[in-house]
Amino acid sequence: AQTVTQSQPEMSVQEAETVTLSCTYDTSESDYYLFWYKQPPSRQMILVIRQEAYKQQNATENRFSVNFQKAAKSFSLKISDSQLGDAAMYFCAYRSKVWGNKLVFGAGTILRVKS
Amino acid sequence: NAGVTQTPKFQVLKTGQSMTLQCAQDMNHNSMYWYRQDPGMGLRLIYYSASEGTTDKGEVPNGYNVSRLNKREFSLRLESAAPSQTSVYFCASSEVWGGTNEKLFFGSGTQLSVL
Repeated sequence: AQTVTQSQPEMSVQEAETVTLSCTYDTSESDYYLFWYKQPPSRQMILVIRQEAYKQQNATENRFSVNFQKAAKSFSLKISDSQLGDAAMYFCAYRSKVWGNKLVFGAGTILRVKS
Repeated sequence: NAGVTQTPKFQVLKTGQSMTLQCAQDMNHNSMYWYRQDPGMGLRLIYYSASEGTTDKGEVPNGYNVSRLNKREFSLRLESAAPSQTSVYFCASSEVWGGTNEKLFFGSGTQLSVL
């Protein structure tokens, strides 16, 4: 079974600075999807960014980018120019291409943004 | 657009009571899911329905039952609530089971406390 590990329960960043959230996963599959979801205090789950394992190029979405290291099974999220609105719980998630849309989530990292 | 609507948003039960969490989506999605979120454990899949008329167990199905009433609605029932079922419950939907459009749309969650 796949597992996702987020080793940082909490992180803090100064407004306008850059922060990196870590995620590692374990799988025997060669092709899969990886995601970062953001959960603000409203509890809504918001998709931030996704990566397809067969693509070597790291995904980017505006101020959000990932560092995908397939051999190391690592998938970190970098947030540049941090804003107060980035404060939230961030979840890393894995999805098998074989087992449909079932997502396996990490435990989450709380990101605090200081003004 | 309403997206995924869950009711109720908050509920307090006594041990042994039963209740049904309701979920409806208006995006004509085929697949629907129930997750629970617990501190330090991320989101875990309880049950899912790949398409209308089918349901399957996820990681943590014990103590729950589900009904896919029609394409729009997917309910989660607790027959005899236990304190271990205190959690935040999320319903989600996606367009296709196992398709390339892997984006899940989440409801805003139900905070359930079992005393």
